[in-house]
Amino acid sequence: GAVVSQHPSRVICKSGTSVKIECRSLDFQATTMFWYRQFPKQSLMLMATSNEGSKATYEQGVEKDKFLINHASLTLSTLTVTSAHPEDSSFYICSAREGTGANTEAFFGQGTRLTVV
Amino acid sequence: KQEVTQIPAALSVPEGENLVLNCSFTDSAIYNLQWFRQDPGKGLTSLLLIQSSQREQTSGRLNASLDKSSGRSTLYIAASQPGDSATYLCAVRPKTSYDKVIFGPGTSLSVIP
Repeated sequence: GAVVSQHPSRVICKSGTSVKIECRSLDFQATTMFWYRQFPKQSLMLMATSNEGSKATYEQGVEKDKFLINHASLTLSTLTVTSAHPEDSSFYICSAREGTGANTEAFFGQGTRLTVV
Repeated sequence: KQEVTQIPAALSVPEGENLVLNCSFTDSAIYNLQWFRQDPGKGLTSLLLIQSSQREQTSGRLNASLDKSSGRSTLYIAASQPGDSATYLCAVRPKTSYDKVIFGPGTSLSVIP
């Protein structure tokens, strides 16, 4: 299957600082990218959907000013956690889909463990 | 609103046993259903993808079935091994939310040597 690379895999930051997470589709052009959040022992919760060149669509309850998403090219999307707080500590996973057809598959990155101290 | 549930939440079996993991979804209007494996602290590994027109998919010791009308899918693991220990997630792609994938809460599997 196609490869989605997420970087960094692990990051520790101080409370109040901002952290950027990158998601790259390595061998295909990602029309749509998704960002998920996963708390310990819980499932993945969709945060936002982004299409290249347009603003991201955020799920209800997700603060768009806190979780900035940029999808500037067909192979790169970034999630910036602004003014991070300890409650933002979580596992963040991105996924990318090539095309919009019904049978297209979304491929997932390996996740980023964010710890805010 | 599509909801996905998985039973059981956790399962512990001795090595060599065959086992079944269950996934249910509330809205049968889906494009596909996918099973993933997640190791602790890691990302997702796609195991099987079943399109809505299909009834089952097989890969090695894994077999996944889909009964769209009843909103159910099962993941069958034959001859379980300690290396199968992980959390298994099912996810559906609903037709009402074209781009999204909705995940279940997962089943945590432990295979005892």
